[in-house]
Amino acid sequence: GAVVSQHPSWVICKSGTSVKIECRSLDFQATTMFWYRQFPKKSLMLMATSNEGSKATYEQGVEKDKFLINHASLTLSTLTVTSAHPEDSSFYICSARPGNSNQPQHFGDGTRLSIL
Amino acid sequence: ELKVEQNPLFLSMQEGKNYTIYCNYSTTSDRLYWYRQDPGKSLESLFVLLSNGAVKQEGRLMASLDTKARLSTLHITAAVHDLSATYFCAVDVKAAGNKLTFGGGTRVLVKP
Repeated sequence: GAVVSQHPSWVICKSGTSVKIECRSLDFQATTMFWYRQFPKKSLMLMATSNEGSKATYEQGVEKDKFLINHASLTLSTLTVTSAHPEDSSFYICSARPGNSNQPQHFGDGTRLSIL
Repeated sequence: ELKVEQNPLFLSMQEGKNYTIYCNYSTTSDRLYWYRQDPGKSLESLFVLLSNGAVKQEGRLMASLDTKARLSTLHITAAVHDLSATYFCAVDVKAAGNKLTFGGGTRVLVKP
C-alpha cells in the first residue's frame, strides 16, 4: 500500500529556532501534498495544499511567512516553521495523494513539535 | 463553506453494547472517509464511501452513507476495549480541490 513517511516524529527546540519537517511519499509520486495542524483533543485543520513545482496554497488565517512550504519533487514536501514560538507547538500531519486526484490521501505519522 | 459535524463528541461505551456515531455535512460530497486516531498517533484509514447507499464493514465497525440526507454513520457492534480511540469523518469535494474537511471527532472510551 501507499506509504507516507514524515520526519522527524518529535522535536523539541528553543523559541526563535526554525524547524523543518519532511514529508515523503515512499512508493508513489504525489503531485499534491497537504499539511495539517492538530491541537490537543481537536480535529485536524488544513494549513496548506502543496503542489509540486508551484507555490503552496494556504488556507485562510495561516501565515505563509511563518509556515514555509516547499514541494520540490514528486516525492518530497517540506514544512518549515520559521522563528518558532511556544504557540506554534502542535501536532503537524502531512498527507499525500497519488497523481490521480481520484485517489485518497495517505497520511504520515505526524510530527509533534514542542517549542520551549 | 463546507461544514462537517459529528456527534456525539464523546461516547462512553460499555463492552458488548452497540453504538452509532453520526456525521452530517453541508454540501454535496464526492467521497466520505472514516478514520481512527489513537492518542499521540496519526490517522488510520477505516472506510471510504463513494456513493449513496454505500455500506462497508470491517470487524465490529460498519459505515454507511446517505448522500440525500448528507449523513454518514459509523456503527459499532458489541464494543470492546480495543475500539477506544477518536474517530473522525472527513469529506472530500472535487470542486474544492479535493481538500478534506474533517468533522470535530468523536472520542470513544469503552469501559469493561
